[in-house]
Amino acid sequence: SAVISQKPSRDICQRGTSLTIQCQVDSQVTMMFWYRQQPGQSLTLIATANQGSEATYESGFVIDKFPISRPNLTFSTLTVSNMSPEDSSIYLCSVEGAGRTNSYNEQFFGPGTRLTVL
Amino acid sequence: GNSVTQMEGPVTLSEEAFLTINCTYTATGYPSLFWYVQYPGEGLQLLLKATKADDKGSNKGFEATYRKETTSFHLEKGSVQVSDSAVYFCAPRGTDKLIFGTGTRLQVFP
Repeated sequence: SAVISQKPSRDICQRGTSLTIQCQVDSQVTMMFWYRQQPGQSLTLIATANQGSEATYESGFVIDKFPISRPNLTFSTLTVSNMSPEDSSIYLCSVEGAGRTNSYNEQFFGPGTRLTVL
Repeated sequence: GNSVTQMEGPVTLSEEAFLTINCTYTATGYPSLFWYVQYPGEGLQLLLKATKADDKGSNKGFEATYRKETTSFHLEKGSVQVSDSAVYFCAPRGTDKLIFGTGTRLQVFP
């Protein structure tokens, strides 16, 4: 498995501002993903962060609202831009392809960033 | 498209009771199947997995069997504990990504 850390762990932000969430993994991984989990809901995939190229966004999510960077195989950032109260959620980083062996596409999740927008 | 249907919660049980959380899915091909658990205030943890038909995944007393004929992956535990109280997510893997169920909240009382 991989050890995944996220910063910040939580934040309270004002409407109209932006927040950048960092995800750091303790080993190189093939794939990195960003999810959103709204209160009491399941997980929704926002995008796949691609190393060295633009992220691949899921339907309903756009780069202008959720710009993503992945400069190397252990780090990614997600920015939530021009926030509104509807963006209040937990944002989770996930990785796949950690370690030397193919673990049948096992994904591991970070602890999440709890965002509240006022 | 790919989808997953999970038993609605909350499931409320007494300690040492038997647990079943149903999960059925639709997917092309033969997806790998996963159960994740989310304890209160924590992130998701991989609980168990199965990668082909008739495989049984197991961990911490939980089990689930990959049933290709019924496209199901029901989670079971013979004797639950209070510490098992959490939300459980069934997640088949589609072509290139996990598909999460709605989650089932389990509450175990002493």
